[in-house]
Amino acid sequence: NAGVTQTPKFRVLKTGQSMTLLCAQDMNHEYMYWYRQDPGMGLRLIHYSVGEGTTAKGEVPDGYNVSRLKKQNFLLGLESAAPSQTSVYFCASSYSSTGSWTQPQHFGDGTRLSIL
Amino acid sequence: AQSVTQLGSHVSVSEGALVLLRCNYSSSVPPYLFWYVQYPNQGLQLLLKYTTGATLVKGINGFEAEFKKSETSFHLTKPSAHMSDAAEYFCAVSETESGGYNKLIFGAGTRLAVHP
Repeated sequence: NAGVTQTPKFRVLKTGQSMTLLCAQDMNHEYMYWYRQDPGMGLRLIHYSVGEGTTAKGEVPDGYNVSRLKKQNFLLGLESAAPSQTSVYFCASSYSSTGSWTQPQHFGDGTRLSIL
Repeated sequence: AQSVTQLGSHVSVSEGALVLLRCNYSSSVPPYLFWYVQYPNQGLQLLLKYTTGATLVKGINGFEAEFKKSETSFHLTKPSAHMSDAAEYFCAVSETESGGYNKLIFGAGTRLAVHP
């Protein structure tokens, strides 16, 4: 069972470069999320999506864009990378249903991104 | 906005000793509460969750947590630590956004070390 798959797993960028992180889930989940994890700060929500074609801002959206063109995929883009975006990025997904927030989120293994 | 406080960024216990990881939340409504575990270089895995009903919740790997409304706490315990329990643990609370969508707010995490 693949679950939530993130690509790439590691990446080093130079300041100003752009890149896209891909998240794919095979559980037919409606909701998908992008988080960043920094030491001592837990996980912070960047953007999320409640269904195909929809996206919304989370806690720390600045400098990132997202797209959900297909239900199973959620892309996170950095248009002009900055050193402050050095972090570990996690994608997650969950079911949508009545009381959806009783449903746990399923996480990928993360993408470690360094911006020089 | 809701928040989650995990007391102690690092906890160290001996193998076989009691594990107690503390979590306090702020919420004006009955919360949905979660504990996740993160092993090195992996994503987060759900340990247990509290939604409604019994306040003592049992999870995987022998962990349990008790919801105490009067103390706004959801502490995680395990009677006897095992070396394999060494990981980082995150407490999270759900928050409802305008429009009815919920999202998770994570604590900063507690790193558990288990020594022989």
